[in-house]
Amino acid sequence: EAGVAQSPRYKIIEKRQSVAFWCNPISGHATLYWYQQILGQGPKLLIQFQNNGVVDDSQLPKDRFSAERLKGVDSTLKIQPAKLEDSAVYLCASSLNRGYEQYFGPGTRLTVT
Amino acid sequence: AQSVTQPDIHITVSEGASLELRCNYSYGATPYLFWYVQSPGQGLQLLLKYFSGDTLVQGIKGFEAEFKRSQSSFNLRKPSVHWSDAAEYFCAVGANPNTGTASKLTFGTGTRLQVTL
Repeated sequence: EAGVAQSPRYKIIEKRQSVAFWCNPISGHATLYWYQQILGQGPKLLIQFQNNGVVDDSQLPKDRFSAERLKGVDSTLKIQPAKLEDSAVYLCASSLNRGYEQYFGPGTRLTVT
Repeated sequence: AQSVTQPDIHITVSEGASLELRCNYSYGATPYLFWYVQSPGQGLQLLLKYFSGDTLVQGIKGFEAEFKRSQSSFNLRKPSVHWSDAAEYFCAVGANPNTGTASKLTFGTGTRLQVTL
């Protein structure tokens, strides 16, 4: 069974530029999550999708971050414009449904200079 | 609000020695508890989870954890550590699926395990 795929694995941008990350969850998983993991901290949930609908985006900085999962399968997370404090690893996870265990992708390491 | 505390930022053990990583949680109802491991440059891998029933749960790679409601703890243990266990370990708490609420996970700040040969 293929795991959660993410791309790119690494990205370096300058502040005020925009960036997008892509995630393809495990086939058949209805729930998809984006987490932000700042160095030295645990992952923090940014947004959770159930199929193509948003369940929780309470910690998403909506003035600069956006995410979509239009067809209920893969998802993109965008930052525009980026700030220095956005430097982090962005993890995507999926689960069969809400409440089931989450499987994580390898993450995208973003460096904002 | 739910929260997780991992009081040990960094632990060093010798290969073959026993290991215990501490985790304390705060949650207003019956929690759903997890331990994940993260190797450098990798995503998180689930070691074990506690949902209900037996308070001693077995996981992969020889790890186990014990849920103690009275102490709000879910400590991770391994009787004999291998060099390949060196990684970062995260404890997490989420809503019990039976409550029907969203399955948001709250993670601790992690414990970095170093294994000396």
